[in-house]
Amino acid sequence: GAVVSQHPSWVICKSGTSVKIECRSLDFQATTMFWYRQFPKQSLMLMATSNEGSKATYEQGVEKDKFLINHASLTLSTLTVTSAHPEDSSFYICSAPSGTSDSQYFGPGTRLTVL
Amino acid sequence: AQSVTQPDIHITVSEGASLELRCNYSYGATPYLFWYVQSPGQGLQLLLKYFSGDTLVQGIKGFEAEFKRSQSSFNLRKPSVHWSDAAEYFCAVGAGTGTASKLTFGTGTRLQVTL
Repeated sequence: GAVVSQHPSWVICKSGTSVKIECRSLDFQATTMFWYRQFPKQSLMLMATSNEGSKATYEQGVEKDKFLINHASLTLSTLTVTSAHPEDSSFYICSAPSGTSDSQYFGPGTRLTVL
Repeated sequence: AQSVTQPDIHITVSEGASLELRCNYSYGATPYLFWYVQSPGQGLQLLLKYFSGDTLVQGIKGFEAEFKRSQSSFNLRKPSVHWSDAAEYFCAVGAGTGTASKLTFGTGTRLQVTL
C-alpha cells in the first residue's frame, strides 16, 4: 500500500522556538494532505487541510499564525509550530489520500515536547 | 456536523475469544465509515471501510464490520482475537465524497488481549 512518512518522529524543543514537521507521500502524489493532533489517550483532531499550490484550510479554533502549513510539492507538506509553548506538546499526525485507491494513508506521527 | 461515539474506552478479551467494538455515528447524509488501528510507533492502519453497497464489510486481519443505518452504528467484529490485535482502534466518519474528505474520529477503544 501507499506509504506516508513523517520527520522527525520525535522532537524536543525549548519554549519560544519554532519546530518544523515534514510529511511526505513516498510512492504517490497528494494534492491534499491533512494534519491532525492527538493528545494522550485521546482521539485525533483535524487541525487543517493542506492544499498543494494554495493556502491551507484551518479548522475552527486552530491558530493559523501559530501552525504554519506549506504544501511545497505534490509529495511534501510541512507543519511549522511557531513560538512553541508547553501546551503545544502533542502527537502530530499527517495523512494523505491516495488517488489510486479510496483510502487515506497516515504517517507514523511526530511527538513534540516543548520544555 | 458529524460525530462519532465509541462507548468503550477499554476492552479486555482473552485470546481466541470473539470481539465486538462499538461505534455510533451522527451524520446528515450517507456516511463514509472507517475503522483504523493504531499500534505504538506505527501510523494508523485502515482495517476496513464502508461507502455503499453490502452492509457487511470485510477487512484485513480477519476483521469485519456491519453498517446499520437504523441504529447509526458501524460495529467492528472479529470471531477470534489474537494477542497481536492488542492496540487502539478508532472509528471514523468522512464528510463529503471521496477519499479527500475530512475524517472525524471517535475517541478510540483500547483493546487488551490476555493470554
